[in-house]
Amino acid sequence: QVHLVQSGAEVKKPGASVKVSCKTSGYTFTGYYMHWVRQAPGQGLEWMGNINPDSGVTKYAQKFQGRVTLTRDTSISTAYMELSGLGSDDTAVYYCARDQYCTSAACYPYFHYWGQGALVTVSS
Amino acid sequence: QSALTQPASVSGSPGQSITISCTGTSSDLGAYNYVAWYQQHPGKAPKLIIYDVSNRPSGVSNRFSGSKSGNTASLTFSGLQAEDEAVYYCSSYTTSDTWVFGGGTRLTVL
Repeated sequence: QVHLVQSGAEVKKPGASVKVSCKTSGYTFTGYYMHWVRQAPGQGLEWMGNINPDSGVTKYAQKFQGRVTLTRDTSISTAYMELSGLGSDDTAVYYCARDQYCTSAACYPYFHYWGQGALVTVSS
Repeated sequence: QSALTQPASVSGSPGQSITISCTGTSSDLGAYNYVAWYQQHPGKAPKLIIYDVSNRPSGVSNRFSGSKSGNTASLTFSGLQAEDEAVYYCSSYTTSDTWVFGGGTRLTVL
């Protein structure tokens, strides 16, 4: 059974940084990319980037380049998302989502398993 | 990368068929068949309901179907049910090796 368990809610001041964790279980952590998606209150989903947990290679959405850092610790099967220079518009639920929906025949590059989300509130 | 364009809301009566559109560009929807739809109920994480334009994951109702023509993808509900009331998001892989979502469509079952 695949599980993605994220860290708890955070309250940060403008200009600060936040680091959200995503602890995984039930599958080979290094075998599947991990994506990060955020959702501002009442708003839509926004893809932030992904990481190859095996190599550590990352890909970021242009909007977040220079402000987001995705890392992983393979020894504890955990992925991390750190966002710096927080502003009020960064208030959102941040989700980790594992790559690959797999059938008996093949795997497909979609977000099939999601964490429960971590609410980050930016407020002075 | 701009978000894909979806109508903000649609509504229908139980048993009715409706379609949600999702419009992109030649750099996303028009470039690949890596198109998905996600269903999200309030306070919950999104759930994959369509992948590769028109395939349903195991366990997803066959009342949901997907299609694509050019830069526009569509999600069709055949025989609306009360539990279909949710927000639906389209998503596409892009030529920049990134993913993009639509703005979301709130489906109301009258």
